[in-house]
Amino acid sequence: GAVVSQHPSRVICKSGTSVKIECRSLDFQATTMFWYRQFPKQSLMLMATSNEGSKATYEQGVEKDKFLINHASLTLSTLTVTSAHPEDSSFYICSASRGNYGYTFGSGTRLTVV
Amino acid sequence: DAKTTQPPSMDCAEGRAANLPCNHSTISGNEYVYWYRQIHSQGPQYIIHGLKNNETNEMASLIITEDRKSSTLILPHATLRDTAVYYCIVRVASNTGTASKLTFGTGTRLQVTL
Repeated sequence: GAVVSQHPSRVICKSGTSVKIECRSLDFQATTMFWYRQFPKQSLMLMATSNEGSKATYEQGVEKDKFLINHASLTLSTLTVTSAHPEDSSFYICSASRGNYGYTFGSGTRLTVV
Repeated sequence: DAKTTQPPSMDCAEGRAANLPCNHSTISGNEYVYWYRQIHSQGPQYIIHGLKNNETNEMASLIITEDRKSSTLILPHATLRDTAVYYCIVRVASNTGTASKLTFGTGTRLQVTL
């Protein structure tokens, strides 16, 4: 149980375009979802926390207008990178949780902006 | 959440026990210790967690000192597939029904060798 599907696994986009990443909890309802970003040889950096039906809470330094997060249902959260630039190229990872019942991570999305 | 300190890297021979230490000297009474690992280019995988008692599951054992200021993750018989970055995280159990965030440190890069 507790499977999180993240899609796409890899995406290449042109500079200036937007990219949407989906995160789905397949067999449980996720009251909270988290989005992380990871640069090569670095740890995961939390970008934002979203609770179903509420606006996301962004970590300091993360631009909310650039990284749009939607958590419209208990099984789906999306991260849209708007007007992507090469410096946004990174590994994006989502995590889903049911309160105190643990955290399950997606397999990640490798974004390359050219 | 309390900060954790881990050695940056460790080596272990295949078939031997891997003992990964973690220092969390500022941990509070209501904070749990979680261990995750991340194999290259994948999302983190849950290993084990505990509050103050030692814990064991099919993957590993978690030994928490009596004062809770440090812990050790034990992989009893390491294999090459256990090569990964191991993260020790402490976090407060949420009492609001929504999950509190997991903050990743730099982790320990475990290299299992033949």
